[in-house]
Amino acid sequence: SYELTQPPSVSVSPGQTARITCSGDALPKQYAYWYQQKPGQAPVLVIYKDSERPSGIPERFSGSSSGTTVTLTISGVQADDEADYYCQLADSSGTSWVFGGGTKLTVL
Amino acid sequence: EVQLVESGGGLVQPGGSLRLSCAASGFTFSSYSMNWVRQAPGKGLEWVSYISSSSSTIYYADSVKGRFTISRDNAKNSLNLQMNSLRAEDTAVYYCARVQENGGFDYWGQGTLVTVSS
Repeated sequence: SYELTQPPSVSVSPGQTARITCSGDALPKQYAYWYQQKPGQAPVLVIYKDSERPSGIPERFSGSSSGTTVTLTISGVQADDEADYYCQLADSSGTSWVFGGGTKLTVL
Repeated sequence: EVQLVESGGGLVQPGGSLRLSCAASGFTFSSYSMNWVRQAPGKGLEWVSYISSSSSTIYYADSVKGRFTISRDNAKNSLNLQMNSLRAEDTAVYYCARVQENGGFDYWGQGTLVTVSS
């Protein structure tokens, strides 16, 4: 199996830009997905296929990929964005899925 | 409206068994692959198992292989997870999640808590 590495925490002030990274050797070969999870709630898909945004997700959420790192960017962070964020991808054979360890976004 | 509602969680002793269910509504259940994902208290997400729309393809995480069995009943719009030989480390909230065409897990249930303890 493989691993995805995320920073445990990121802190930003309201209105600033938050960038959450996810690193892993498999990333150049597989699409990455991002989920937002607020306390006591189920995860919500916020980015799919590295940079696509599902309907209903605000435009301030964006994703990018470069080499072995994918990045979730939240522009103009709002208090409501405070949550845990997880990256995810499928392995190369598509027979298992891996989540990163999660990043707690704190809005100061 | 898409809805996924898990049930069947509870307290079970180590070595025991439990069967989780996920009732789906608001979409054509038989057209979608499904997953179980779990989250231990205070920990991150862990993928557990996958089943294709027709049940022809099934995968398990190494941590549950040989102990858990995923199944579905498309006539009843139901997804199941039979968990045997439960261990303390299986303690978690278990979520069912739908797989969208893009590969993401686009809808999740609210989760059901499984506690393995004596």
